[in-house]
Amino acid sequence: EPEVTQTPSHQVTQMGQEVILRCVPISNHLYFYWYRQILGQKVEFLVSFYNNEISEKSEIFDDQFSVERPDGSNFTLKIRSTKLEDSAMYFCASMGWGETQYFGPGTRLLVL
Amino acid sequence: DQQVKQNSPSLSVQEGRISILNCDYTNSMFDYFLWYKKYPAEGPTFLISISSIKDKNEDGRFTVFLNKSAKHLSLHIVPSQPGDSAVYFCAAITQGGSEKLVFGKGTKLTVNP
Repeated sequence: EPEVTQTPSHQVTQMGQEVILRCVPISNHLYFYWYRQILGQKVEFLVSFYNNEISEKSEIFDDQFSVERPDGSNFTLKIRSTKLEDSAMYFCASMGWGETQYFGPGTRLLVL
Repeated sequence: DQQVKQNSPSLSVQEGRISILNCDYTNSMFDYFLWYKKYPAEGPTFLISISSIKDKNEDGRFTVFLNKSAKHLSLHIVPSQPGDSAVYFCAAITQGGSEKLVFGKGTKLTVNP
């Protein structure tokens, strides 16, 4: 069964450093998403991406965040200068035609 | 701004019994609802969904009920199995509108053997 994959599974970084989280969505999907879950809190939407551009972003997704789909298969989330409060699980999701988003296993980001 | 609420953080049931997980929403624009199941250290896994034009959707042991007038939905699992122990998230979306899923905080279900 096709699935969304994410790398790395864990990332530890120093505050102020840049991180890139990678996702490989399900191959025939057209819509891509990033969500995050801070420990003990709900899963929150960050950004959606369709047709090679951002279609929607949340208030959380400020100028420190960016997304791209560099090669038609990977979908990346970059945080330019990490802050302590960026520590969270980051989930990638993808969707084909329809309303069901399928999630990857997540990347646990810890900012020290 | 809790547009989707799961008021029970945890639920414990005996194996073989029914598990009922509840979810309320406030945004009347939501018209499609999903339940996801999440094990520790894994991403949310899609379980079952329902469109607002229906009041019930069933898939094996899982049934979702929607009461639009009350803005309430519930997930029934019967019979419950120990492998069902996980965190269950209710999520909502507006079809043709915002693409984001809005999640509740989740309910941790424990099914005791």
